[in-house]
This record gives sequence, structure tokens and C-alpha cells, in this order.
Amino acid sequence: AQTVTQSQPEMSVQEAETVTLSCTYDTSESDYYLFWYKQPPSRQMILVIRQEAYKQQNATENRFSVNFQKAAKSFSLKISDSQLGDAAMYFCAYRSAVYGNKLVFGAGTILRVKS
Amino acid sequence: KAGVTQTPRYLIKTRGQQVTLSCSPISGHRSVSWYQQTPGQGLQFLFEYFSETQRNKGNFPGRFSGRQFSNSRSEMNVSTLELGDSALYLCASSMPGTVYGYTFGSGTRLTVV
Repeated sequence: AQTVTQSQPEMSVQEAETVTLSCTYDTSESDYYLFWYKQPPSRQMILVIRQEAYKQQNATENRFSVNFQKAAKSFSLKISDSQLGDAAMYFCAYRSAVYGNKLVFGAGTILRVKS
Repeated sequence: KAGVTQTPRYLIKTRGQQVTLSCSPISGHRSVSWYQQTPGQGLQFLFEYFSETQRNKGNFPGRFSGRQFSNSRSEMNVSTLELGDSALYLCASSMPGTVYGYTFGSGTRLTVV
């Protein structure tokens, strides 16, 4: 079974600074998808960024980028120019490309942004 | 475009009762998945429905069940509620043939007393 590990329960960043959230995963599959979701106090999970395992190029979405290291099974999220609105719980998630339409989530990282 | 709608937002039930939660997906989305979120266990997959058929099931007891209607709306039911069933229940819908299009609702907060 696949597992996703987020080793940082909580992180803090100063507004306008850069922060990196860590995620590692374990799988025997070669084809899969990785996601970062944000969950603000409103509770709705919002997709931040996604990465296909077969793509070597790291995904980027505006201020959000990932460092995908397939061999190391690592998928970190970098948030540049942090804003107060970035404060939320961030979840890393894995989805098999073959076996079923379900997401396996990490435990989450609370991100606090200081003004 | 309306998002994923979950009702009710909050619910308080007594141990032993049963509860039904509802999820209306985005128009055109035929896959609906349910997740349970608790402080202790985190986010766990319950089940997925596609075209009224359960395609995937997580590791939950038989007290947890679901169904999907022809309009893709989905319900999940929990019978004989236990205190440990207190959680945020999230629903996500997606387009067929896509691996990206998960859109989540805001969840139903269930408290069992």
C-alpha cells in the first residue's frame, strides 16, 4: 500500500519570504500522480499544484512550485513571496495511475504566515 | 459554475443513531469520492462511486455505506453511530477520464454525542 509522509507538523514563514514544505511517499508503482492541497479554515480542500510522475519537469503554478525527486520519492512544495492568505493546512497526496480513483493523503502541515 | 455542495454543514447525532450525508457534484462530474477527516487518523478514503456503481472502497466497517443516483448526486450513510465517527466528511467530484479534476466540497462536520 502507498503511504505519504509529511514530517513537518507546523511551519512558519514571514510574509514575502519563501518556505518549503516536505513530503515523501512510498510506492512500488512507476506511474502515479502527486498533489498538494490547501485546506483553509473554511474546510474546503483546494488544489494547489499537481505533478505527473512520468514528467521530469517540476510543476509550477505562479508562486507555487514543486521539487519532484522520483528516485528519492520526494515531493516538496515551495511557496515564494508568502502571503497572509497562504496560511492554511497543506496536504500532500498520492494517486495511482492504475489502481483506482482515490487519494492517499499525508498528515498535513500547518503553515503560519507572520506579518 | 456551482461547486460541490455538501449538506448539511453541521450535524449532531447520538450514539446508536444513523445519519445520511449528501453530496451534489459539479455538473458533468460523474465520479464522487468520500473521505473522512479526523485529528487522529487524518484524511482517509471511504469509497468512490461512478455511474451509480461503487468502484473503490476504503478500509471502513460495513456501517459505512453509500450510493449514487442517476443525476450523480451521492449519499453516504453511517449506521449505529459511535463516538469515533465524529469527523469532517468530505466529498470530492471529478470528471470522467481525468486524473486531475478533483473538486472538494466544504464538508459535513458530524459530531456524535
